[in-house]
Amino acid sequence: KNQVEQSPQSLIILEGKNCTLQCNYTVSPFSNLRWYKQDTGRGPVSLTIMTFSENTKSNGRYTATLDADTKQSSLHITASQLSDSASYICVVSGGNQFYFGTGTSLTVIP
Amino acid sequence: DAGVTQSPTHLIKTRGQQVTLRCSPKSGHDTVSWYQQALGQGPQFIFQYYEEEERQRGNFPDRFSGHQFPNYSSELNVNALLLGDSALYLCASSLGPGAYEQYFGPGTRLTVT
Repeated sequence: KNQVEQSPQSLIILEGKNCTLQCNYTVSPFSNLRWYKQDTGRGPVSLTIMTFSENTKSNGRYTATLDADTKQSSLHITASQLSDSASYICVVSGGNQFYFGTGTSLTVIP
Repeated sequence: DAGVTQSPTHLIKTRGQQVTLRCSPKSGHDTVSWYQQALGQGPQFIFQYYEEEERQRGNFPDRFSGHQFPNYSSELNVNALLLGDSALYLCASSLGPGAYEQYFGPGTRLTVT
């Protein structure tokens, strides 16, 4: 069964600290993996997208990694800011379908 | 270059009523997908439209229907609304059904009372 699982479900960190979010998937065939940031009540906004051959992709303070062999991805956020508080969703594309994780809710506190 | 737009932003309906949500894709995109996102949950795929036809459908009842127009814009219709239909409805557009990436609109918040 094609699934995308994210952990942790929620996370609270202090402003300025780093954090790492995890995404494990069982989607096959695999096309690409994206990380989205979704503010409450808003549409998701793309952060990074990686294909099978890409191991890492950065977008400012966001760095995503992909291990296609173990079917794992991580999103690392450096020097967190209050505006990073949001849900982070991992989406895996394969076979013309998009499979969504349930997201990690990140709260950054001062 | 306009991104994906959706209307209305918010909507309140009563059980049993019908609702129509609208989506205009990003310029140059020809494929529109609709998602339902309950509070605290990830988006759930409803269906996808390409070349004015429904190409794929998720696990949603026939009360959920859609349409795509020649200009690639799309509508989502929900009949006989239930309380459980209250959610954020997201539209995403892409270039082709098997696209590398899709872009999301801001969503329509539907509340059924």
